[in-house]
Amino acid sequence: DAGITQSPRHKVTETGTPVTLRCHQTENHRYMYWYRQDPGHGLRLIHYSYGVKDTDKGEVSDGYSVSRSKTEDFLLTLESATSSQTSVYFCAVSESSQETQYFGPGTRLLVL
Amino acid sequence: GNSVTQMEGPVTLSEEAFLTINCTYTATGYPSLFWYVQYPGEGLQLLLKATKADDKGSNKGFEATYRKETTSFHLEKGSVQVSDSAVYFCALSMNRDDKIIFGKGTRLHILP
Repeated sequence: DAGITQSPRHKVTETGTPVTLRCHQTENHRYMYWYRQDPGHGLRLIHYSYGVKDTDKGEVSDGYSVSRSKTEDFLLTLESATSSQTSVYFCAVSESSQETQYFGPGTRLLVL
Repeated sequence: GNSVTQMEGPVTLSEEAFLTINCTYTATGYPSLFWYVQYPGEGLQLLLKATKADDKGSNKGFEATYRKETTSFHLEKGSVQVSDSAVYFCALSMNRDDKIIFGKGTRLHILP
């Protein structure tokens, strides 16, 4: 258990509103990742971070931004939520890409 | 580019049956290979991994062997249980790459 929490766990919001999801870890892992999981698509990487203030895009980054001002927190922001962003969002952490990724419990987001 | 292909599900078996979930990969180089499992309502967790050719990863009765000649990492278990019902993801990571590439997942149902 890498001590990963995600908040909120469930959220319902309306199209066009901004939404921020938080990932918090207690083990000071260097890498943090945001994924979305959708039926038929498996797990897709949105953004990741390789250190404080160091982030990069994944394969589905459009419409999302991230920030990491502290080692333990990685925030994912949907700048203007759309129905296509309805999904389950997972945060993961690891010491390096070669090492095990530890996943949080997920956030279920519904955009109406 | 690098990719992972795994058999589509769902796979339905009776308890005590033999399980194989196929996974093949494409990579420019020598990746590390992983199997992750996702139980209902939870995040992914590492099941097993192998970091070089001919390595065998094993955990909880599951095994997978890294086969460079066939670019495969098939997951096997000799006698499945109802509690093995979950979604299984094959994944790879490359040296000097910050990301893990996941397959689309295979849903496994075990009937009592």
